[in-house]
Amino acid sequence: AAGVIQSPRHLIKEKRETATLKCYPIPRHDTVYWYQQGPGQDPQFLISFYEKMQSDKGSIPDRFSAQQFSDYHSELNMSSLELGDSALYFCASSLRGQGAWNTEAFFGQGTRLTVV
Amino acid sequence: DAKTTQPTSMDCAEGRAANLPCNHSTISGNEYVYWYRQIHSQGPQYIIHGLKNNETNEMASLIITEDRKSSTLILPHATLRDTAVYYCIVRVGGGGADGLTFGKGTHLIIQP
Repeated sequence: AAGVIQSPRHLIKEKRETATLKCYPIPRHDTVYWYQQGPGQDPQFLISFYEKMQSDKGSIPDRFSAQQFSDYHSELNMSSLELGDSALYFCASSLRGQGAWNTEAFFGQGTRLTVV
Repeated sequence: DAKTTQPTSMDCAEGRAANLPCNHSTISGNEYVYWYRQIHSQGPQYIIHGLKNNETNEMASLIITEDRKSSTLILPHATLRDTAVYYCIVRVGGGGADGLTFGKGTHLIIQP
């Protein structure tokens, strides 16, 4: 079965650079979520989108922005990168519309961002 | 969302049932109990969720006490691949992964 695809899997950037992470949800899923997991930390919710509109917002820094496109894929844009942004970034997707309710979310394998 | 308390770590022998407890004494009437797990450096994986009735699926069973202040996740026949951090999360229903608060979880180690 198709899963959530994230790209790239690994990314190395220098301080103050920008990075763009991409997430391709499971086909037919209309909702995407972004989570950040620092070294030795638990996943922290950043932001989510449903039908291309922001659905919920967590602890996403102002330097980060995200959007969901018409094909439902999502991109997380990160600017002025700091050493503390080094983390695993997970994307998840679920089906919320079309009468679906209380359905589970599926997480991707993550993008490991290293800021040097 | 209500706060949860889980043991930091647990061991279980391969082939035995693994019983993971979770306390959520401040749970509200409209909050569900969700369980996720995370195998090292992989994305979290949904296991099961419930409101007040016991639930079972192909992965696990969820037993919720009558007062809903605690629950137990049961992996009936643990394998080495079940070694992971297990998160008990209490939140309002609606599915999805909005604002999941993972907390520290229980590191379950399956021993051969």
